[in-house]
Amino acid sequence: DADVTQTPRNRITKTGKRIMLECSQTKGHDRMYWYRQDPGLGLQLIYYSFDVKDINKGEISDGYSVSRQAQAKFSLSLESAIPNQTALYFCATSDHQFGEQFFGPGTRLTVL
Amino acid sequence: EDQVTQSPEALRLQEGESSSLNCSYTVSGLRGLFWYRQDPGKGPEFLFTLYSAGEEKEKERLKATLTKKESFLHITAPKPEDSATYLCAVLGSGNTGKLIFGQGTTLQVKP
Repeated sequence: DADVTQTPRNRITKTGKRIMLECSQTKGHDRMYWYRQDPGLGLQLIYYSFDVKDINKGEISDGYSVSRQAQAKFSLSLESAIPNQTALYFCATSDHQFGEQFFGPGTRLTVL
Repeated sequence: EDQVTQSPEALRLQEGESSSLNCSYTVSGLRGLFWYRQDPGKGPEFLFTLYSAGEEKEKERLKATLTKKESFLHITAPKPEDSATYLCAVLGSGNTGKLIFGQGTTLQVKP
């Protein structure tokens, strides 16, 4: 079984809809991250969480919110989806501040 | 400003033709440089971590090296299954644990 899972894997939605992307991990890591990947722009950090009570904005947090339901679960919400949020979204985890991050398989989101 | 630049953007090799990918970085006090492999439509797969200049790591046909300004990913006698996008990232300044990624090098190895 995969250590970091994301659901759904693919999602097509319409402008203005609220959607949630979910991430679960079995690695036992405290730190979790949400990134988006756009062609030609690389991976950019949306939000990050060091533990259940510690959530922080990344460099492109506008239009997004997150919830850390448990150590193993970190959800990303788009309150009112817009077309330029069409991208690949990745969740990642790490076990310490300077350690490598392990990525999930991604969610391909299309906003029409 | 923390920055990572990878070159070339794309690389085509014949099977068995060795080459190197470059990752140049600018960061205040390097605390870690990471190499990932990404296949189309999949998440980045962790390959190596390098922490200090002079450090080297190897895995099968891949070898990563680090200097004070750049890192190289050497691919020896590549096979078609090595075709992928290779991403380089550094830990950003501050305490976020944020990775600063380069744009990646897309490698195609032809049989």
